[in-house]
Amino acid sequence: DTGVSQDPRHKITKRGQNVTFRCDPISEHNRLYWYRQTLGQGPEFLTYFQNEAQLEKSRLLSDRFSAERPKGSFSTLEIQRTEQGDSAMYLCASSPSQPSQAHPTSYNEQFFGPGTRLTVL
Amino acid sequence: GNSVTQMEGPVTLSEEAFLTINCTYTATGYPSLFWYVQYPGEGLQLLLKATKADDKGSNKGFEATYRKETTSFHLEKGSVQVSDSAVYFCARPFYNQGGKLIFGQGTELSVKP
Repeated sequence: DTGVSQDPRHKITKRGQNVTFRCDPISEHNRLYWYRQTLGQGPEFLTYFQNEAQLEKSRLLSDRFSAERPKGSFSTLEIQRTEQGDSAMYLCASSPSQPSQAHPTSYNEQFFGPGTRLTVL
Repeated sequence: GNSVTQMEGPVTLSEEAFLTINCTYTATGYPSLFWYVQYPGEGLQLLLKATKADDKGSNKGFEATYRKETTSFHLEKGSVQVSDSAVYFCARPFYNQGGKLIFGQGTELSVKP
């Protein structure tokens, strides 16, 4: 079990550029979540997928943001025309949605990746 | 509304001191409650959880009891160590929205030797 991984860990970009982040969840987890965390605050929910279907999107997810999970495995989060206010830590988490032999009690628990820190200059 | 409110930080303690970080929630039912910890430069890790009222979650010397009477889930540790320095987040899920988590604002703990 390698855990949730995210790439890149850090991204510095200029205002107006597009950026894309990747998240690889724990392999048998069918739910995948994106959160945003700004300095001194708790993570805020952005969106989540069950398999390849995007089932919930926060109002925080403006039309400049798009997320995909095309094969129900890894996910990408793209931000177009970045703004300074987009600077934050972007966190990915995954969870199983039902109990299994591997996760008899921890289903619905979310396992977080290390995050991608975005700085928009 | 449905929210999670945490005691504001930062909290600075000496090693071996007693720790309490307050957390209260609002909900229409009795959701599971979680404490996550974020060490410097790392992602969030689940510290402990309680899945129903009156449950006590515990891990690494930390404890929290789910008290429905006071809608609270306060985090406690009898004797903190320097290695406990981190940011602690209380959280609850929304099951009808895919289990998304709502977090408190976090409480930064600094333990001095």
